[in-house]
Parts: sequence; structure tokens; C-alpha cells
Amino acid sequence: KQEVTQIPAALSVPEGENLVLNCSFTDSAIYNLQWFRQDPGKGLTSLLLIQSSQREQTSGRLNASLDKSSGRSTLYIAASQPGDSATYLCAVKGAGNMLTFGGGTRLMVKP
Amino acid sequence: DGGITQSPKYLFRKEGQNVTLSCEQNLNHDAMYWYRQDPGQGLRLIYYSQIVNDFQKGDIAEGYSVSREKKESFPLTVTSAQKNPTAFYLCASSIVGAGTEAFFGQGTRLTVV
Repeated sequence: KQEVTQIPAALSVPEGENLVLNCSFTDSAIYNLQWFRQDPGKGLTSLLLIQSSQREQTSGRLNASLDKSSGRSTLYIAASQPGDSATYLCAVKGAGNMLTFGGGTRLMVKP
Repeated sequence: DGGITQSPKYLFRKEGQNVTLSCEQNLNHDAMYWYRQDPGQGLRLIYYSQIVNDFQKGDIAEGYSVSREKKESFPLTVTSAQKNPTAFYLCASSIVGAGTEAFFGQGTRLTVV
């Protein structure tokens, strides 16, 4: 059964820092990996989608990489801002068209 | 505006009562999903449907029921058999296919009183 782990569970950084969030998964037979942002009490907003054949995707200050063979993905946030404070979730899509989620990383960017 | 609408935003349930959470989408997606999120945790799959009039159990289906009579709608009923229903419930949809992206609604917070 697929298991997804996110490290660290929580992170606090000063504004302007570059940071990396990690996601690992146990079964490399995935179709894609998606990174989401969740604000408190809100739904999930899709940030980046990486197909299994891709190595990375970029959107603005966000860059996500995927190493399927080692079961790892990273989300890189450049020049962090207080508005980036949220919980970041990664999810992998595998057999049966199902998404399996990690526990999330709660990010706080201090002004 | 295309998207997924969940209602209500907040719902309170008394012990022994069934309640139904609404999820509607106008994205023309065939696949719809219900997830449960507990504080500080990731999402767990309750039920999913990839076509009208068909649905499958996810990892934590006990105490829940769904229907899929229309492509746009996938309501979730939390029954009295669900012993710990207080949680945040999220509905999602996607095109059926291996590499497709999932989109989420804004969630319903259910509290037992």
C-alpha cells in the first residue's frame, strides 16, 4: 500500500529565505505527483502537477522536482514571503486513479 | 465560474443523527471523491466515483454512504454508525485518466454536539 511522508512536519523561517519541503513515497509506480497549498479552514489549492515522466515543474517562485525511482519529490520556494504561510501537502496518484496524501508541512514565514 | 461547491461550510450534528454534505461541480469531470481530514493530518479517502451510478469504497468508508445520480453531484451522508464524525470533509473531482489533475472544494466542517 502506498505511503507518503512529508518532512518536516512544521517549519518556521524568516522572510526572504529560500526553503525546501520534502515528500517521499514508498511505491514508485505512480502516474503523477501534485503539490497543494491549504490555508487554515480552507480547501486545497493545486500548486504544481508533475507527471511521472517529468523531472520538474515551475510556477513563479515555486519549483517542484520528482525522482520517481527513489520515491522523492521536493518543493522549492524562493524568496519566501509571509503570504506563503500555509500547510503544503503532496499527493501521489497511483493505480485506480487514487490520490494518496502525505501529512503536510505547516510553514510559517515571519516578517 | 468553473469549480467545486461544497455546502454547508459548517454543519452540526446531534448524536444518532444522519447528515448529508453536498458537493456539486461544473467542470464536467467524471471522477469525484470524498476525503476526511483530521487536525494536523493528511487526507484519507472515504468514497470515490468514476462514473454516474457507480462508486467504490475508499480506506475509511465505514459509517458513510454516497450516491451518484448525476455527473455534477456527489453527496456524502454521515450516518449514526460513524462513531467519530467530527472532522473537515473535502470533495474533489478530476477527469478520469492517469495523469490528470485533481481539484478541490472549500470543505465542510462537521461537528458533533
